[in-house]
Amino acid sequence: DSGVTQTPKHLITATGQRVTLRCSPRSGDLSVYWYQQSLDQGLQFLIQYYNGEERAKGNILERFSAQQFPDLHSELNLSSLELGDSALYFCASSVDPAGGQETQYFGPGTRLLVL
Amino acid sequence: AQSVTQLGSHVSVSEGALVLLRCNYSSSVPPYLFWYVQYPNQGLQLLLKYTSAATLVKGINGFEAEFKKSETSFHLTKPSAHMSDAAEYFCAVNQAGTALIFGKGTTLSVSS
Repeated sequence: DSGVTQTPKHLITATGQRVTLRCSPRSGDLSVYWYQQSLDQGLQFLIQYYNGEERAKGNILERFSAQQFPDLHSELNLSSLELGDSALYFCASSVDPAGGQETQYFGPGTRLLVL
Repeated sequence: AQSVTQLGSHVSVSEGALVLLRCNYSSSVPPYLFWYVQYPNQGLQLLLKYTSAATLVKGINGFEAEFKKSETSFHLTKPSAHMSDAAEYFCAVNQAGTALIFGKGTTLSVSS
């Protein structure tokens, strides 16, 4: 158990809908990352927050947005969903990302299926 | 830009045999490198990481990896495979303290 929790574990929805994925980082970790894992794209970085502020953006679509709240939990919002958004979405956390050697601890993921 | 390449999307070994999973990196500066393992229907778990303290890095479950700058490689090895090692393995490099950039992964199968 990494200490990172994600809810829900599974999500089935229809095209055009909007969903929210939730992540609670490990106790003491200030940085949260979101990754998408799909068969064709592999593991891709979406976005990072550090202590409530956006730190870095990756291949995140404009239909997707995220935020980190004062209690440090984070939410990833996916809207106008398309079939291609079906994937496993991981949240990871680390204490302080500065330098790059810190370990990122991954949650169990949310499996999203868009029908 | 930093990147990693994992050679071989699928590796099959017999129980007790040597495991060798290959990873080459591309980086203009000394990188921080990681190996993660993903068991079916689970998240990613860190096996080991290279942070320039030592070129031979020992990780969990008997795995180790050697950083070779001259070959730009960070291959993962285990002397004797166990059935429980069957999983998908990812090599990753950290990009400037933000995102992990992952390779495409190598699926390890272990037969008895």
